[in-house]
Amino acid sequence: EVVLTQSPDFQSVTPKEKITITCRASQSIGSRLHWYQQKSDQSPKPLIKYASQSVSGVPSRFSGSGSGTDFTLTIDGLETDDAAIYYCHQSGSLPRTFGQGTRVEIK
Amino acid sequence: QVQLQESGPGLVKPSETLSLTCTVSGDSVSSGSYYWSWIRQPPGKGLEWIGYIYYSGSTKYNPSLESRVTISLDTSKNQFSLRLTSVTAADTAVYYCAREVAFYHFDSWGQGTLVTVSS
Repeated sequence: EVVLTQSPDFQSVTPKEKITITCRASQSIGSRLHWYQQKSDQSPKPLIKYASQSVSGVPSRFSGSGSGTDFTLTIDGLETDDAAIYYCHQSGSLPRTFGQGTRVEIK
Repeated sequence: QVQLQESGPGLVKPSETLSLTCTVSGDSVSSGSYYWSWIRQPPGKGLEWIGYIYYSGSTKYNPSLESRVTISLDTSKNQFSLRLTSVTAADTAVYYCAREVAFYHFDSWGQGTLVTVSS
């Protein structure tokens, strides 16, 4: 099983800041790493697919990079609406797995 | 635009079987490009993949649940279903159905349904 470890677990930031969330895989998964945003009492929403590909309708302030075992999600110019938990997910092997989540709080 | 909607009992007794159905609209579960998936999230915790079914009926499950899980397809109703046997309180969670673009991401999710295991 591929274990995904996100860091940090929690981040408190002010609007307009730039933040980076990292996701490290326990083995190489190529680019089969995806990012989701989950707001309170909502289902997860896809943000980035295949490590760096934009998902239609997602604001351009969200971007992703990485391959192999190390990946990052960047939010450049945080808005209050970005308060949420962010998860990474790998589709490179079975079982599909998720990171533990990173909670982002907007001050 | 595809939509997924979970349905089923919100309360299940310990040792009994949890059964949920996902109704798909805007796409066909017979489509060959997707894996129809179940994912769960215990209250206040992270996401756990349960398994998926392909249009052919082929299934894959999380080894941690494989002995208790069955996912099935009903093409006539455009639905897929989850059965989880011998439930305990640890199975209390919000259960989501989702569509995985094969080997890519989960591009569509249901709203989720909370299932509580309690006597």
